[in-house]
Amino acid sequence: DVKVTQSSRYLVKRTGEKVFLECVQDMDHENMFWYRQDPGLGLRLIYFSYDVKMKEKGDIPEGYSVSREKKERFSLILESASTNQTSMYLCASSSTLRDPSYEQYFGPGTRLTVT
Amino acid sequence: KNQVEQSPQSLIILEGKNCTLQCNYTVSPFSNLRWYKQDTGRGPVSLTIMTFSENTKSNGRYTATLDADTKQSSLHITASQLSDSASYICVVSATGYALNFGKGTSLLVTP
Repeated sequence: DVKVTQSSRYLVKRTGEKVFLECVQDMDHENMFWYRQDPGLGLRLIYFSYDVKMKEKGDIPEGYSVSREKKERFSLILESASTNQTSMYLCASSSTLRDPSYEQYFGPGTRLTVT
Repeated sequence: KNQVEQSPQSLIILEGKNCTLQCNYTVSPFSNLRWYKQDTGRGPVSLTIMTFSENTKSNGRYTATLDADTKQSSLHITASQLSDSASYICVVSATGYALNFGKGTSLLVTP
């Protein structure tokens, strides 16, 4: 089974702190994604990466950055957390080489609260 | 603009009853359509996936249908169980990496 893990289920940070959210997948997938999910808005793509050291902006990249130094790991960074970044953050991975349907497998999510 | 609209926004049904969730989309070009189930506080899990040529796909008590001409899909849940309480998300893929997400239907199954 594909397994996508995220470093924390719940996280509480203060405004202005630098926040790291880590995601690891064990299926050798090329593609990895970071989403945020808010009530009434659904899932929105923040950033994605289709290869090591490659990254592409999604729909709402402002206030975020990402890092992918190894194929299995994709980090989301909030340089200076703000209260409007309180949300559920979901990581996903996919393999277009093995699955042209672009099936994405999601991690369990990190509920981030910025106070 | 690619859009995915789901209805109803929320639904409450009695255990054992059937229900149908709707998804309308304007995504073009169309590649495939998925239904995900998301339990509270968890990540989404794929239920079904359909390509252009498929008009129905089942996964246990879940049956998805697709009408590519009218750009509509439905998810039918038969003999609902308490564990079916979750959010159901319709996701439509064009070509490439990007997925287009609906906002989900929140289903509550009561005893």
